[in-house]
Amino acid sequence: DVVLTQTPPTLSATIGQSVSISCRSSQSLLHSNGNTYLNWLLQRPGQPPQLLIYLVSRLESGVPNRFSGSGSGTDFTLKISGVEAEDLGVYYCVQSTHATWTFGGGTKLELK
Amino acid sequence: EVQLVESGGGLVQPGRSMKLSCAASGFTFSNYGMAWVRQAPTKGLEWVATISYDGSSTYYRDSVKGRFTISRDNAKSTLYLQMNSLRSEDTATYYCTRRSDYWGQGVMVTVSS
Repeated sequence: DVVLTQTPPTLSATIGQSVSISCRSSQSLLHSNGNTYLNWLLQRPGQPPQLLIYLVSRLESGVPNRFSGSGSGTDFTLKISGVEAEDLGVYYCVQSTHATWTFGGGTKLELK
Repeated sequence: EVQLVESGGGLVQPGRSMKLSCAASGFTFSNYGMAWVRQAPTKGLEWVATISYDGSSTYYRDSVKGRFTISRDNAKSTLYLQMNSLRSEDTATYYCTRRSDYWGQGVMVTVSS
């Protein structure tokens, strides 16, 4: 099974600071159809997850453009350019390239 | 507006069964694969099962294989998860999701005597 290793597990940031989260896969996430099904989610306390980024780098409608995704193959990154208070919560990467989905372990973003 | 509304959770004894439902609206349900994802208290997200758009293909995590069955009724735009032989480690909030882009609010399942 594919393993997604997400780092760091915890991230402390000040408002306005830029931060990055890494998601590394044990196998390539490039699908035979040419797409890479790697998404980024944010789960705020007490809420279901919400989609931020899909297909590695595409910004979901309504999501602020301070969020960006990059990467390919097995190595992916989520960047927040200027953290705001509403960004606090737990971030997850998730792959659905392979029939059995996998989630990263999560990165908790806290205020410093 | 896309909506996914789960129902059917609650308290159940170990070894018993429970069936979750997820009513979908706001999109053409029969065009999309769907999945169940769970989250144990204070833990991360864990994929449970996936079903193809037409129900012809299903996939499960190893720990639920042979105990859980994912299914769908495209005429009713509803996704199901039949859970048998429940264990304490199945205690979690269960979410239905459309390819991880839309999520329901979740339903709590507690397995305890």
